[in-house]
Amino acid sequence: DIQMTQSPSVLSASVGDRVTLNCKASQNINKYLNWYQQKLGEAPKLLIYNTNNLQTGIPSRFSGSGSGTDYTLTISSLQPEDVATYFCFQHNSWPLTFGSGTKLEIK
Amino acid sequence: EVQLVESGGGLVQPGSPLKLSCAASGFTFSSNWLNWIRQAPGKGLEWVASINPDGSSTYYPDTVKGRFVVSKDNAKNTGYLQMNNLRSEDTAMYYCARTGGGPPDYWGQGVMVTVSS
Repeated sequence: DIQMTQSPSVLSASVGDRVTLNCKASQNINKYLNWYQQKLGEAPKLLIYNTNNLQTGIPSRFSGSGSGTDYTLTISSLQPEDVATYFCFQHNSWPLTFGSGTKLEIK
Repeated sequence: EVQLVESGGGLVQPGSPLKLSCAASGFTFSSNWLNWIRQAPGKGLEWVASINPDGSSTYYPDTVKGRFVVSKDNAKNTGYLQMNNLRSEDTAMYYCARTGGGPPDYWGQGVMVTVSS
């Protein structure tokens, strides 16, 4: 099974900051890496698919990059509404696996 | 508008069965994969099952293989998750989500399953 490791587990930043969240796979996942945002009490929402493709309706301040085993989600200018937990997810091979999440807070 | 609505959750005793439903609308259900993903209270996300568009192939992690069965009725635009021999560790919010060619993109709001005596 492919293990997905996210870091940090908690991130505190100020409004307007550039924020970077990391996700590392235990083996090459061929860019089949996706990012979800989950706000408290809500279902997860797809932000980025296949490493760097912005899902329809997602603000352009969100972007993704990476290859092989290492991937990054960047928020260019943090907004108050970005408070949430962010999960990475690989669909390169079965079983499909999620990272354990990064909780993003506002300072 | 794409919509997925789960139902069938509740409180059950260990060892009991339970069947969840996922009613889909706003897209061509027969052309999409259907997935089930769960989240234990205060925990992360865990993929539970996937089924291909025509229902001929299914996939599960080892944690539920042999106990859970995913199916879909394309004529009724509804997916199902039959859960057997439920354990306390199956307690979670269960989400259905469609796959439109990549990862799960649209998700339902979830249904809670509690396994407790």
